[in-house]
Amino acid sequence: DVKVTQSSRYLVKRTGEKVFLECVQDMDHENMFWYRQDPGLGLRLIYFSYDVKMKEKGDIPEGYSVSREKKERFSLILESASTNQTSMYLCASTRGQPQHFGDGTRLSIL
Amino acid sequence: AQSVTQPDIHITVSEGASLELRCNYSYGATPYLFWYVQSPGQGLQLLLKYFSGDTLVQGIKGFEAEFKRSQSSFNLRKPSVHWSDAAEYFCAVAAPGGYNKLIFGAGTRLAVHP
Repeated sequence: DVKVTQSSRYLVKRTGEKVFLECVQDMDHENMFWYRQDPGLGLRLIYFSYDVKMKEKGDIPEGYSVSREKKERFSLILESASTNQTSMYLCASTRGQPQHFGDGTRLSIL
Repeated sequence: AQSVTQPDIHITVSEGASLELRCNYSYGATPYLFWYVQSPGQGLQLLLKYFSGDTLVQGIKGFEAEFKRSQSSFNLRKPSVHWSDAAEYFCAVAAPGGYNKLIFGAGTRLAVHP
């Protein structure tokens, strides 16, 4: 079975902090994704990566950046956290379809 | 622009009753179609997918979905709901090829009465 592991299930940070969310997959997948999930809005794509050191903006990249130094790891970075970034963040990976998801990180920015 | 609409935000059914969750998409060609389920506090689990061929697809946990090209729909069904089916359900589409990006609907939250 594919395993996508997100480093934290719950995280509480303060406004202005730099926040790192980590995601690791164990299936040598080329493609990895970061989504945020908000009630009534479903999942929205923040960034994705199709190879090491490659990244593409999704639909809502503002206020976020990403890093992919190794194939198995894809990090989401909140450069200066704000309260409107309080949300559930989900990571996914795939070689083709379908995507496989981690359990999510519920992030609260105070 | 591509989009996915799930018209029902909340649905409540009785245990043992049948279920249909609606999904309509807007896309220029036939996309890949998916249904995912999310239990509270969990990530998304794939229920079923449609790429091509038979328009009635079977998934896990007794779910099925039917692709109707003329209606741009991919509705999810289950003949008899169990209390453990209470969760949020997401319909998603992807363009064949490309970077395998998914576009999600807003989700339908299912409650099951005993």
